[in-house]
Formats: sequence, structure tokens, C-alpha cells
Amino acid sequence: RKEVEQDPGPFNVPEGATVAFNCTYSNSASQSFFWYRQDCRKEPKLLMSVYSSGNEDGRFTAQLNRASQYISLLIRDSKLSDSATYLCVVNINNAGNMLTFGGGTRLMVKP
Amino acid sequence: DVKVTQSSRYLVKRTGEKVFLECVQDMDHENMFWYRQDPGLGLRLIYFSYDVKMKEKGDIPEGYSVSREKKERFSLILESASTNQTSMYLCASSPGPLRGRVDTQYFGPGTRLTVL
Repeated sequence: RKEVEQDPGPFNVPEGATVAFNCTYSNSASQSFFWYRQDCRKEPKLLMSVYSSGNEDGRFTAQLNRASQYISLLIRDSKLSDSATYLCVVNINNAGNMLTFGGGTRLMVKP
Repeated sequence: DVKVTQSSRYLVKRTGEKVFLECVQDMDHENMFWYRQDPGLGLRLIYFSYDVKMKEKGDIPEGYSVSREKKERFSLILESASTNQTSMYLCASSPGPLRGRVDTQYFGPGTRLTVL
């Protein structure tokens, strides 16, 4: 079983739609969670951290469910520019800066 | 703005060649990382370093070595390139120190290496 699992997609949605991705992690002791965004042929960049209480940044909302060991990313009012691969990232062993990346979920927003 | 640069965007080498991939960051970060990214497998950590001359194995170190002689530079070395090392190689850095907190990692643009 992979340590961090994501549905690879692609998720094809029209502009303006709301879309949600889930990600599951295997280590219940994990403490830190992130979503990174990777555009085609570009490097990953931090989109947002995921806090226990959930957090929102504009159209993006991240949630953590420790009991079920998953995190989610909700994108409201999708824009064409949201088309990218979204990487779920977990600090598995809580040893500082070691991160484990999921395989990514590809989102394609169509006009 | 944090800047992480990698020496080449595209590289083509032959089986058995020794390959050097260079990474430089300009933000005085403590930690540096080398990943490879393959379709369906995501990013996998090869090696990381939390200080000059310090290195630690990641999840897939076989066939690779690293060097960190200066704080800003972290090199990945393929001692004898093989076709299964054809991949996208990404370098990253983070402020550190390694232990105690989790920092954002800043990535370079990647080097697409093809081994023939």
C-alpha cells in the first residue's frame, strides 16, 4: 500500500464548477499535511498547508480527517488557470522536513 | 524570492556514463533534496542533506550518490547511468533546520534526463 494515495484523474470540469479531491495516508502518526500544485512541465509549488481545523484560501478549502486518515481539497468556481496536477504531501514520520508525495490528481478545467 | 536553479533542463546520456546534476539555491537554506518524478509513481526522494558535507539516503538511493561541499550547492551523481534512470530529476531546498518543524520546500525547474 502506498503511503500517500490519490486518484490520478483526470478530473474534467467546466469553468465555474466545484471540484473536490481526496487523498489518503497510511501513517496515523503523520502530523503535517500540504497541497502542492504542479503545472505541466513545471516544478511543484506549495498551494496551501492543511490544518487540523481546516483552512480556506480564497476559492480553495483544505480539510483534514484524522480518524479516516484523509485530506481533501475543494476548489470552488473553477478557473481555466486551475488546470494543473495537485499533489497531496504528508510529513510521514514527523522527522522535520521529510515529505512524502502522492502521485497527484490531474485537473482539467474546460471553457 | 527563493530561487533554485538546476544546471540543465534536458540531458541525454549513454548507458554507463557518469552523470552530474547540479543544483544551486540562493536563499541560504539549510536543507536540500533530490527527487525523481516518474508517471504513476510521483516524486520519490533519492537523497537529502541538512548541512554541508552531510547527506542522508532517501527512499531510492541505489545507483546514486550526492555531494554537498558548499551550502548553496547540492550535486546528484549517477555513477554509471542506466536506462531505468531515465526520469525527471527535481532538486528542492527548505530553510531548516531539519529537525523540529516542517518547512515549505522550494523546487528547481527540473532536469529531464534520458539515458540511451
